[in-house]
Amino acid sequence: GQQLNQSPQSMFIQEGEDVSMNCTSSSIFNTWLWYKQDPGEGPVLLIALYKAGELTSNGRLTAQFGITRKDSFLNISASIPSDVGIYFCAGHSGGSNYKLTFGKGTLLTVNP
Amino acid sequence: NAGVTQTPKFQVLKTGQSMTLQCAQDMNHNSMYWYRQDPGMGLRLIYYSASEGTTDKGEVPDGYNVSRLKKQNFLLGLESAAPSQTSVYFCASKGELGSNQPQHFGDGTRLSIL
Repeated sequence: GQQLNQSPQSMFIQEGEDVSMNCTSSSIFNTWLWYKQDPGEGPVLLIALYKAGELTSNGRLTAQFGITRKDSFLNISASIPSDVGIYFCAGHSGGSNYKLTFGKGTLLTVNP
Repeated sequence: NAGVTQTPKFQVLKTGQSMTLQCAQDMNHNSMYWYRQDPGMGLRLIYYSASEGTTDKGEVPDGYNVSRLKKQNFLLGLESAAPSQTSVYFCASKGELGSNQPQHFGDGTRLSIL
């Protein structure tokens, strides 16, 4: 089946630093999604990308859909303590059932 | 706005017991999904339902069954619980079939099998 490689697995940064994480796929995706999961809660959608090369921002978050359609990255600028959590990428390769393939997540810790 | 509601939030079972995890969505979504989340494994799809009355297997369906009798509800059953099914279970729903609308998740059910 399809696999997503998400890196890094974890990051420990100081408040105010910028963060970058990425996902790569062995196959092409039509949609890339980035979710954040806080402890004890379900994943919450941050950014959705629908076109190759698309660059989308949501506040301090910026994500891009790679032009090869096999990768995506998420940047967080000027991190704050509430950015702590697990970030997941997810991809959809097409089809009406809209099954998503998820990366294994990046655990972000922000030191105040 | 409730969105996706999962019950119960926590459950402890003994090996061999059965139970049903419930998921309800109030967004009139056609598609619903059940995932399990294990440390270091991310989210893995157990079953999904593209519409009321239809269900299909996902990546890890063994040991589970599902039911989608009503559009707003998607039930996940464990007939004979095993310790390997200890996990956090998430339900999700999505809008129009085939559209690019993303999935919306509930807050999870934390299940421990002793």
